[in-house]
Amino acid sequence: SQKIEQNSEALNIQEGKTATLTCNYTNYSPAYLQWYRQDPGRGPVFLLLIRENEKEKRKERLKVTFDTTLKQSLFHITASQPADSATYLCALALYNFNKFYFGSGTKLNVKP
Amino acid sequence: DGGITQSPKYLFRKEGQNVTLSCEQNLNHDAMYWYRQDPGQGLRLIYYSQIVNDFQKGDIAEGYSVSREKKESFPLTVTSAQKNPTAFYLCASSGAGRPQETQYFGPGTRLLVL
Repeated sequence: SQKIEQNSEALNIQEGKTATLTCNYTNYSPAYLQWYRQDPGRGPVFLLLIRENEKEKRKERLKVTFDTTLKQSLFHITASQPADSATYLCALALYNFNKFYFGSGTKLNVKP
Repeated sequence: DGGITQSPKYLFRKEGQNVTLSCEQNLNHDAMYWYRQDPGQGLRLIYYSQIVNDFQKGDIAEGYSVSREKKESFPLTVTSAQKNPTAFYLCASSGAGRPQETQYFGPGTRLLVL
């Protein structure tokens, strides 16, 4: 079965630095990967999607990369702010399947 | 406003009781999903539905049931057969396409056992 791994340890960084979160997967090749933000007690909110034929995607201070050889996606937040503190989830979708597989998320703490 | 609503925000279940969690969307999405989230774990898929009157089991369907009589609604029943129901339940929807893309999530229902 598909396995998705995200660093379970919280990532603590200083305001203004770049946060980099990792998502590794095994077995199948996904059609695309998504990144979501989840605040405590709330539902996840979609941030970015990257397809298997794309190397990089950007949106404002966010950047996602996708390496199908390494089976890895990296999620970057540049010029991080305390308001970026949250748990970030990655999810992947396979071709011809109508469901998503989620990682357990990495908690990001940005300190002022 | 378009979006997904879930109710109630908190739900208490007594031993041997069935409880139903509500999920409604006005995004005109075909697909709807139910996930369960436990502390420190990712979202696990309970059931999903691609179209009205049709639904499929996810990875942890035992002890749960659903219905999809209307496009807008996808209620989840937690039955007495679910022995460990305490969790945060999330409903989501997405548009057409294979594979379907962005999922929109509701605010969640926290289920607690008395």
